[in-house]
Amino acid sequence: RKEVEQDPGPFNVPEGATVAFNCTYSNSASQSFFWYRQDCRKEPKLLMSVYSSGNEDGRFTAQLNRASQYISLLIRDSKLSDSATYLCVVRSGGGADGLTFGKGTHLIIQP
Amino acid sequence: GAGVSQSPRYKVAKRGQDVALRCDPISGHVSLFWYQQALGQGPEFLTYFQNEAQLDKSGLPSDRFFAERPEGSVSTLKIQRTQQEDSAVYLCASSLALPGSSGNTIYFGEGSWLTVV
Repeated sequence: RKEVEQDPGPFNVPEGATVAFNCTYSNSASQSFFWYRQDCRKEPKLLMSVYSSGNEDGRFTAQLNRASQYISLLIRDSKLSDSATYLCVVRSGGGADGLTFGKGTHLIIQP
Repeated sequence: GAGVSQSPRYKVAKRGQDVALRCDPISGHVSLFWYQQALGQGPEFLTYFQNEAQLDKSGLPSDRFFAERPEGSVSTLKIQRTQQEDSAVYLCASSLALPGSSGNTIYFGEGSWLTVV
């Protein structure tokens, strides 16, 4: 079982809709959680950290459920520019940085 | 520039050829990471440097892969006798603080796209 699992999609969503992704992680000792965004042929960029209490940044909301070991990302009022791959990232604290990436979920916003 | 810079951006190598990929981290960043990203996959950790010290190389897939950061700034990832399965994007990343520090954001370069033919 991979340490971080995501549905690869693609998710085809009409512009303006709300879309949600989940990600599960296997290491219960994981300490920090992030969502990164990666555009085609570009590097991953930090979208937001995920906190236990949940956090919001504009149209984006991230949630963490430690008991069930999953992380979610909700995008409201989706824009064409939201089309990208969203990478779930977990830091387990072991090794150099313990950053483990999921395969990513591919999102396509359609006009 | 202000970001992580990698070169070459694109490299086509013949099978068996040696390649060297360069990374210029953000100035002053202590930590430097190399990741390998195959098509359709997430980045996979290769190795980590804290200044000039290579503290973790557990992700290097074989002894054909070698990385160095002799002066604690620029790093080079070398792949000897390249194989087709080495075809991937090689991402370099750096961060200001040590792993585990709060607010320790990792910044990625645009990657070096390696195709072995």
